[in-house]
Formats: sequence, structure tokens, C-alpha cells
Amino acid sequence: DTGVSQNPRHKITKRGQNVTFRCDPISEHNRLYWYRQTLGQGPEFLTYFQNEAQLEKSRLLSDRFSAERPKGSFSTLEIQRTEQGDSAMYLCASSLARDVHGYTFGSGTRLTVV
Amino acid sequence: QKEVEQNSGPLSVPEGAIASLNCTYSDRGSQSFFWYRQYSGKSPELIMSIYSNGDKEDGRFTAQLNKASQYVSLLIRDSQPSDSATYLCALEWGFQKLVFGTGTRLLVSP
Repeated sequence: DTGVSQNPRHKITKRGQNVTFRCDPISEHNRLYWYRQTLGQGPEFLTYFQNEAQLEKSRLLSDRFSAERPKGSFSTLEIQRTEQGDSAMYLCASSLARDVHGYTFGSGTRLTVV
Repeated sequence: QKEVEQNSGPLSVPEGAIASLNCTYSDRGSQSFFWYRQYSGKSPELIMSIYSNGDKEDGRFTAQLNKASQYVSLLIRDSQPSDSATYLCALEWGFQKLVFGTGTRLLVSP
């Protein structure tokens, strides 16, 4: 068990391009979370999955954002038509539904939109 | 609206001193609270969780919770330069979703 894995670590893209990030959770974990963190702020909840079902989406997740978790394993977060305001660290975490002790984040993907 | 408030700092303490980090929250129904440490450019790392009023100790760290006054604190004893980081307070909202404060930057000088 190597923890939550995120790829890529860094992504620089031009405004208007589409980007996709991947998160591989801890293998037995059925819950997976995406957060976004901008400079000087705490992480903000975006969405979460239980198995393959996306159970909740934040208002922060505009229609340019889509997240999937096919087969309840890895997850992808896609941003279409990127804007400079999308520049942030995108964090993924996973847990078991019965866990109550907080969860561990992956290393994150840092997106820079130029 | 669930809010978590933290002083952004920086909080500067000399090596060996006790660092006291504070956090207040607005939702009286919140039951679970967490402290994360975040080094510059890295992802947050869970260091403490607390659910009941009172103190919880883990090594050099002590978390304190007072639900009546709606505050959570983190004490770091014998502070080390390696403790220099941003400390994020978070509360659990709904099923394991977290609401974070903006974090307090701690600087421990040798």
C-alpha cells in the first residue's frame, strides 16, 4: 500500500485547453474525494464518490469540470476550456466509509494555466 | 454556511517553546475536528483528530476542543524548526467531507 497516488504532479496548460488528472486511491478504500486549494487558502471540497457513484458535487464544480470513477477504482478529474482562475493544487483523498479518523491526501496535482 | 476561522499568522516562536494555534468554527453541530500540517508546496498531512471536549495528546502535540465555546486549538511542545509549516484546522461536515480554515503559518526560529 503506497497511499493515494496522483498524476501528473505538475501541469502547465494554455488557457482554453482541456486537462485531465488521475487519482489512484488506496486499494480497499471505497470513498474518494477531490479538493482544490488555491494559494493562501485551505482546501475546498469539490466532489466525492462512494464506489463508482458520484454522491455530491460542490457549487465550485462548474459545468467545465467533470469527475468520474469507473468501476469504483481510480478517478479522473477533467477541466474543459481552462481559465486562469483554475490554477490551483488539486488534491485527492480516499477512505473507507466506516472510517471516522480523517483521511490522507495524495501529493496533489499543481495546475498552472497561462 | 459552515465556517472555520484561523489567524493567518505568521506565528513566530523560538525553538523549544510551546506554539499555540487556535481555530474557531460556526457550526454548533460539528462533531469531528482535525489538524493538518502543510509544508510549502506539499499536500496537507493529518496530524491530529479530536471528537470530545477536552485534551488529546499525541507526542509533542495536544489538541484541545471546547464545543460550548466553539474553538479548537493545537499545542506543539518543544517546537522545532522542522515544525515550521502552515497548520490547517478542519471540521467534518456531512459524511467525511471536510471544511478547512485558511491555515496559520508557524515559524520556529533556531
